[in-house]
Amino acid sequence: QSVLTQPPSVSGAPGQRVTISCTGSSPSIASYNHVHWYQQLPGTAPRLLIFANNNRPSGVPERFSGSKSGTSASLVITGLQPEDEADYYCQSYDRGVSGVFGGGTKLTVL
Amino acid sequence: EVQLVESGGGLVQPGGSLRLSCAASGFNFSNYWMTWVRQAPGKGLEWVANINTDGRSKIYVDSVKGRFTISRDNARNSLYLQMNSLRAEETATYYCARAGHYYFDSWGQGTLVTVSS
Repeated sequence: QSVLTQPPSVSGAPGQRVTISCTGSSPSIASYNHVHWYQQLPGTAPRLLIFANNNRPSGVPERFSGSKSGTSASLVITGLQPEDEADYYCQSYDRGVSGVFGGGTKLTVL
Repeated sequence: EVQLVESGGGLVQPGGSLRLSCAASGFNFSNYWMTWVRQAPGKGLEWVANINTDGRSKIYVDSVKGRFTISRDNARNSLYLQMNSLRAEETATYYCARAGHYYFDSWGQGTLVTVSS
């Protein structure tokens, strides 16, 4: 069972802004732990979207942004595009466990 | 360009063993921690194991401790996952990934492991 909780699904129309939340339920997902985000397009491997709360790897569009406060984090997508339809996962670190993933959020572009 | 190519997946009976490989290229393999992440069909991502740069430090998710072994060969730019006593619920696509500071910045395409009789 994930100690990072995400909504199972979100949706939005093209051009809209959507937010995906990620809430830590364990004390060990402390405020000093970074949160990272991954995008998984249908039938493909995940790719890193945001690292260390709010940093974009090269090649990730500026419409993707991240933030974190305490044990909660958010991924914001502005100017939603059809190709953004995918599953999104947050990830952090727990004591003794190198990688903890949220359950994933399916984004539907209406 | 960073490339990670997994191999070794397939059909195995419950209780059986399988060894996955991941061939790395396009970066200095020996400078990076590496990881295995799996994804059961239609389910989310689950971190499985990490290994440090020289292979001496290894960390596993509780459910695979004592059954799975992560290893690496820096001379061959390769990562491995030896999986023993496999269970049906471990049917999944297994991804190898390059690890940054507690995140995974490059992923392979995955290899499917099916545990079934």
